[in-house]
Amino acid sequence: EVQLVESGGGLVQPGGSLRLSCAASGFTVNSHYMTWVRQAPGKGLEWVSVIYDSGSTNYADSVKGRFTFSRDNSKNTLYLQMTSLRAEDTAVYYCAKVSAILKGAIDYWGQGALVTVSS
Amino acid sequence: DIQMTQSPSSLSASVGDSVTIICRAGQRISFYLNWYQQKPGRAPKVLIYGASTLHSGVPSRFSGSGSGTNFTLTISNLQPEDSATYHCQQSYSTPPMYTFGQGTKLEI
Repeated sequence: EVQLVESGGGLVQPGGSLRLSCAASGFTVNSHYMTWVRQAPGKGLEWVSVIYDSGSTNYADSVKGRFTFSRDNSKNTLYLQMTSLRAEDTAVYYCAKVSAILKGAIDYWGQGALVTVSS
Repeated sequence: DIQMTQSPSSLSASVGDSVTIICRAGQRISFYLNWYQQKPGRAPKVLIYGASTLHSGVPSRFSGSGSGTNFTLTISNLQPEDSATYHCQQSYSTPPMYTFGQGTKLEI
């Protein structure tokens, strides 16, 4: 059974840093595209970043230069390192698996991790 | 970046009705358009991928159509459990950037 479990969310001051983790089971993360999607309170979904099976990454303009998406293949775990955090980064962050079979749709999501940026 | 625009932002309907949600892409995306359903406090679930293919286990009252820049999600014979927010997403960009529409909140 495929599972994605995020951790590491919490309250952080503006300008601070936080690292989210996403532990995967039931599949191998380095065989798939994996992505982070966030949702600010009461707002829609915003794509944040993707890591390819090759290990290369891509980012939304809103987080480029501040967020880093990485993975530890030995732990089958993904990480989102977030620095220089702003109030507008406050959101639930979802770790998710992209399906090539489903033409790039996301077929599995984690439960989400809440990040609150506030003084 | 490919912009995705959904309409309406919200709508209300009754059990048994049919509703259509529109999603427009800022440039042609072939059929790389996906639809998700999200209920409060839960992660989204994929309903339709490739513009018109129903994901496994999704009721047949959900249907999708379109290609290029204009897409629709139609829900027929609405049921109370269809109350949710619906999101469109493009998966066409290279390199991948999985842009979402703003979402449509459906109240039954």
